[in-house]
Amino acid sequence: GENVEQHPSTLSVQEGDSAVIKCTYSDSASNYFPWYKQELGKGPQLIIDIRSNVGEKKDQRIAVTLNKTAKHFSLHITETQPEDSAVYFCAARSQTYSGGGADGLTFGKGTHLIIQP
Amino acid sequence: GAGVSQSPSNKVTEKGKDVELRCDPISGHTALYWYRQSLGQGLEFLIYFQGNSAPDKSGLPSDRFSAERTGGSVSTLTIQRTQQEDSAVYLCASSLGRGTDTQYFGPGTRLTVL
Repeated sequence: GENVEQHPSTLSVQEGDSAVIKCTYSDSASNYFPWYKQELGKGPQLIIDIRSNVGEKKDQRIAVTLNKTAKHFSLHITETQPEDSAVYFCAARSQTYSGGGADGLTFGKGTHLIIQP
Repeated sequence: GAGVSQSPSNKVTEKGKDVELRCDPISGHTALYWYRQSLGQGLEFLIYFQGNSAPDKSGLPSDRFSAERTGGSVSTLTIQRTQQEDSAVYLCASSLGRGTDTQYFGPGTRLTVL
């Protein structure tokens, strides 16, 4: 099955600086990579996703890059603001239907992003 | 429109009791997923429904866990003879269909087993 590693577990940046969170995946058949933001007491919310036929995607201050050869993808947040403070999860979905949650997402363990004022 | 709703928001139970957790997906979403989030951990996939059938139950941690979905809508996750290690937040998500459609999450049910 798929295995997703996420780093760092905690990231503290000054307001206005950029933040980068990195994930690696194991299953070369994975082709969908969403990023979720989870605030305290709430469910995860999708903030951006990328599919394997694309190398980069941007949405205002947020961007995601994907390197299929190296099997890693990253979330980039520029001009960070206090409201960006949250736990961020990367995930991957494999198209190989071999059980093990093939139609469910495999998540990284999360990154606690802290924006220092 | 309404998002995914879950009930109860919090559940405290005693070890050995059975619990039922409910998920109401977004109207029209045929795919429904259950995940478990333990303290400080990522999300662990439990089970996936397409319509009323569950083609993938591989994530259920033991035979004490079961889930059903009726009418292609509401789903119930049942945990029998709860153990302290079952304490976690149980999250439900739905999507339009299988494949690479976006999954929308509910707020979760926080289960505490004493």
